[in-house]
Amino acid sequence: GQNIDQPTEMTATEGAIVQINCTYQTSGFNGLFWYQQHAGEAPTFLSYNVLDGLEEKGRFSSFLSRSKGYSYLLLKELQMKDSASYLCAVMDSNYQLIWGAGTKLIIKP
Amino acid sequence: ETGVTQTPRHLVMGMTNKKSLKCEQHLGHNAMYWYKQSAKKPLELMFVYSLEERVENNSVPSRFSPECPNSSHLFLHLHTLQPEDSALYLCASSRDRETGANVLTFGAGSRLTVL
Repeated sequence: GQNIDQPTEMTATEGAIVQINCTYQTSGFNGLFWYQQHAGEAPTFLSYNVLDGLEEKGRFSSFLSRSKGYSYLLLKELQMKDSASYLCAVMDSNYQLIWGAGTKLIIKP
Repeated sequence: ETGVTQTPRHLVMGMTNKKSLKCEQHLGHNAMYWYKQSAKKPLELMFVYSLEERVENNSVPSRFSPECPNSSHLFLHLHTLQPEDSALYLCASSRDRETGANVLTFGAGSRLTVL
């Protein structure tokens, strides 16, 4: 079966760096997505990786290793507003999105 | 505002009621989706419409009935629901469907409670 694993919850301190991991086993691969979802709000797109390596977007970076079935989202200079759930999703060979259960990130002052 | 609007934001209904959820997108997208989001579970795809035609129905019980009258509007009609159907129902749209970088734009969701 197809599966996405990510930690249920993480805690980090304001100003610090946090890395949220995502491992996947899917039937084929057409890219990996990260979305951010604040409580009571819509998930919003953060990043898309289809080739191995690191994609940087301001304070957020996303890394992909297709051979290892592994990605991480790196958040730098954490701010209180980064408290949210982070959803990892992989598009399989049939262009179906397979979702992880999300990682709830708690930022403490 | 994401460009995808869902109403109502909150809905409480009894098991014998009939209600509908509405989704509207102003992005000119061709594909629209209904997802179910339950606590600590992955998003569950329910229905997909592409150019107003239903292209996917992921074994969803018949008590959920989708309708897509045009490319900007999507409805989810609800009848004789069960308490386990209580969840957040998310609508999403995307420019196309079967492309790699298929970024979804989500609405804020309709929080449904079935008593």
